[in-house]
Amino acid sequence: DTAVSQTPKYLVTQMGNDKSIKCEQNLGHDTMYWYKQDSKKFLKIMFSYNNKELIINETVPNRFSPKSPDKAHLNLHINSLELGDSAVYFCASSRIKSTDTQYFGPGTRLTVL
Amino acid sequence: DAKTTQPTSMDCAEGRAANLPCNHSTISGNEYVYWYRQIHSQGPQYIIHGLKNNETNEMASLIITEDRKSSTLILPHATLRDTAVYYCIVRVSGGGADGLTFGKGTHLIIQP
Repeated sequence: DTAVSQTPKYLVTQMGNDKSIKCEQNLGHDTMYWYKQDSKKFLKIMFSYNNKELIINETVPNRFSPKSPDKAHLNLHINSLELGDSAVYFCASSRIKSTDTQYFGPGTRLTVL
Repeated sequence: DAKTTQPTSMDCAEGRAANLPCNHSTISGNEYVYWYRQIHSQGPQYIIHGLKNNETNEMASLIITEDRKSSTLILPHATLRDTAVYYCIVRVSGGGADGLTFGKGTHLIIQP
């Protein structure tokens, strides 16, 4: 069974569109994250959620809105996509008491044309 | 979190031990050393972490100097599948929901 899964794996879309990326974890973790890896391969935290509540929002444009319907899911909705949003987005999860060991999903490669 | 310094890239022959260094001279007393790796086109993967003592698990060993200003990750018998970018991260352990701060890491290439 996949511990942290993301859909879709690839997403190609036009500028100005709105899109969502879904993330699910079956590890029973209470904390989930979104990271962005740009073309230079820098991996940066975007958001973290604990028990469906936003904990960290790292200077991410408000076009990005995470949604956590329950502890096992953290979806990322992006409005008015821009060229600079092209990147690989990784979801991760951990236990709040052991946030050091984070389990990452396979990533979603977003390409904005 | 303390800053870390790693070599940009390293080569290692298949079957040999791969030793990846990391400098963290500004590490605080309550900060741990963590290692993650990212194999091409995959999500990062946790390897090991430690505070002061050397640690070993099924994947690797972590050697931390006595002054804790540097550490070495050891992959005892490197295989081609160990080719990846290895990240050394220093942070306070437990509590909160902080994201990991990834640097540039070391690109380890295992040669056949």
